[in-house]
Amino acid sequence: EVQLVESGGGLVQPGRSLKLSCAASGFTFSDYNMAWVRQAPTKGLEWVASISYGGSNTHYGDSVKGRFTISRDNAKSTLYLQMDSLRSEDTATYYCARRSYGSYDYWGQGVMVTVSS
Amino acid sequence: DIQMTQSPASLSASLGETVTIECRASEDIYNGLAWYQQKPGKSPQLLIYNANSLHTGVPSRFSGSGSGTQYSLKINSLQSEDVASYFCQQYYDYPDTFGAGTKLELK
Repeated sequence: EVQLVESGGGLVQPGRSLKLSCAASGFTFSDYNMAWVRQAPTKGLEWVASISYGGSNTHYGDSVKGRFTISRDNAKSTLYLQMDSLRSEDTATYYCARRSYGSYDYWGQGVMVTVSS
Repeated sequence: DIQMTQSPASLSASLGETVTIECRASEDIYNGLAWYQQKPGKSPQLLIYNANSLHTGVPSRFSGSGSGTQYSLKINSLQSEDVASYFCQQYYDYPDTFGAGTKLELK
């Protein structure tokens, strides 16, 4: 069974940093591109970042480019999102998702990040 | 960026009814479209990919169609467990973009 379990969320002050993790199991992690997608409270879905299966190619949404860094450790089957210079508008539930030919076929349960002083 | 315009924003339907949700892309996305269902407090679940392919385990009452810039999701014989929000997503070109969502409720 495919499982994606996010961790690392919480309350953080504006301008500070936070690192999210996503532990994958039930599939060969190194065979799949992965992504982070977020959802602000009562809002829609926003793609944040994607990374290729080997980790060499990354893409970022304009709203996080230069502040967030996506990475992966295939030996640990874990995806990461380093979030720096956080802003109030980054407040959202962050989902880890497996990317399969463009669509996201499996999602984690999500982790809440609240940016507030 | 490719803009996805989803309609309607909300929808009320009766059990057993057929409902249709639509997404229009700002340019041709060549069937690079997925549909997701999200129940309250839960993560999104893939329903349809490549515009018309049913994801594993998804009931056959869900179907997708369309081409070019116009796509739709149809739910036949609405069940109570279909109450949820539905989102489209284009993945033809980066950045991936989502529709604003359709909230489906029971009448």
